[in-house]
Amino acid sequence: GESVGLHLPTLSVQEGDNSIINCAYSNSASDYFIWYKQESGKGPQFIIDIRSNMDKRQGQRVTVLLNKTVKHLSLQIAATQPGDSAVYFCAEVESYQKVTFGTGTKLQVIP
Amino acid sequence: DAGITQSPRHKVTETGTPVTLRCHQTENHRYMYWYRQDPGHGLRLIHYSYGVKDTDKGEVSDGYSVSRSKTEDFLLTLESATSSQTSVYFCAISDGPYGYTFGSGTRLTVV
Repeated sequence: GESVGLHLPTLSVQEGDNSIINCAYSNSASDYFIWYKQESGKGPQFIIDIRSNMDKRQGQRVTVLLNKTVKHLSLQIAATQPGDSAVYFCAEVESYQKVTFGTGTKLQVIP
Repeated sequence: DAGITQSPRHKVTETGTPVTLRCHQTENHRYMYWYRQDPGHGLRLIHYSYGVKDTDKGEVSDGYSVSRSKTEDFLLTLESATSSQTSVYFCAISDGPYGYTFGSGTRLTVV
């Protein structure tokens, strides 16, 4: 909801530009990573995932990059649209009961 | 949020009163979870279930209990609500460690 968006780092992007959202993770045992999108007042929605044996995975307008050396994950959104405005957060998965979620980045798309 | 429903969507309750939140799924997924979401924190696991009558604690389980008497229903109970339990609560389902699906959330305010 709206209160979750407060105090988050904000990325402002012009409509049509590309967006890059970053995430640092901490658990070397995590073998699966997910990006979620959360719109105001809604639950998190799956965007794209990647397993630890991959460096890059592409979806429709989105790409996830994984750098295991520095424990870094990024989400690239191509040709950002107003409908992309939301909070984005990553999750690292070690097992079904050990999932750690990031606090998120708020993406603001300027028309 | 297809296949997963949370109720109620909003609730205001008084300190010291019991509160039960309900999560209902139609996906027949084995795993169900309750998370809370607060500003400055990622989603934090309260309790989870890996089958009917099989539940376990998450990282922030104090003050909460759960029950799962049917595959489709997972109840979260605050035995005696406190102001620190004011939060947005999300239920999630999965059929393994991958691919969480979240509900729309319940905004709980304890006054």
